[in-house]
Amino acid sequence: GQNIDQPTEMTATEGAIVQINCTYQTSGFNGLFWYQQHAGEAPTFLSYNVLDGLEEKGRFSSFLSRSKGYSYLLLKELQMKDSASYLCAVSLNYGGSQGNLIFGKGTKLSVKP
Amino acid sequence: DGGITQSPKYLFRKEGQNVTLSCEQNLNHDAMYWYRQDPGQGLRLIYYSQIVNDFQKGDIAEGYSVSREKKESFPLTVTSAQKNPTAFYLCASSPPGAGFTDTQYFGPGTRLTVL
Repeated sequence: GQNIDQPTEMTATEGAIVQINCTYQTSGFNGLFWYQQHAGEAPTFLSYNVLDGLEEKGRFSSFLSRSKGYSYLLLKELQMKDSASYLCAVSLNYGGSQGNLIFGKGTKLSVKP
Repeated sequence: DGGITQSPKYLFRKEGQNVTLSCEQNLNHDAMYWYRQDPGQGLRLIYYSQIVNDFQKGDIAEGYSVSREKKESFPLTVTSAQKNPTAFYLCASSPPGAGFTDTQYFGPGTRLTVL
């Protein structure tokens, strides 16, 4: 079966750092995506990890450990506009589902002043 | 201006009626996808198409149908057989790549409410 777990909600303070974790158990693995989704809007791409390690992109970084089935998204210098849901998604690599994504339920981040 | 468009943004229908949701892209992407999003749930794959005139069922295809007659267009019909059609529907597309690992880009979504 396919399973992706991430916390349902998190709260952090403006200017702080927050880490959103994602663990997965899937049949086949190409890589792992993180998307940001503001309420009522479409998800927008943040990062894609294929190899183990940390990928840094401005205030956002994403880490992957394939052997542990674990990823995290790190947001630094939090801003109010970072209040959104963050979706973890695994890209599959088997059969007819090649490239298809399995999404976690998302983590709703609230940034407080 | 390249992108993915979905129309309308809000759609209301009476129970028992079929309804078709539009999805158009001018990104020259080969692959297109339809997802459904419910409160507290992750995005769930309804149908996907990797090339024109071909499409595959996703995890929750029952009560839905699609067509892919043109590369740019992938309309989704929600039929009366879908037991709980009220949801936020998202269309996505991605370019072909080695192992189909390219990023999926999403349209703005259509919020369907069945009364």
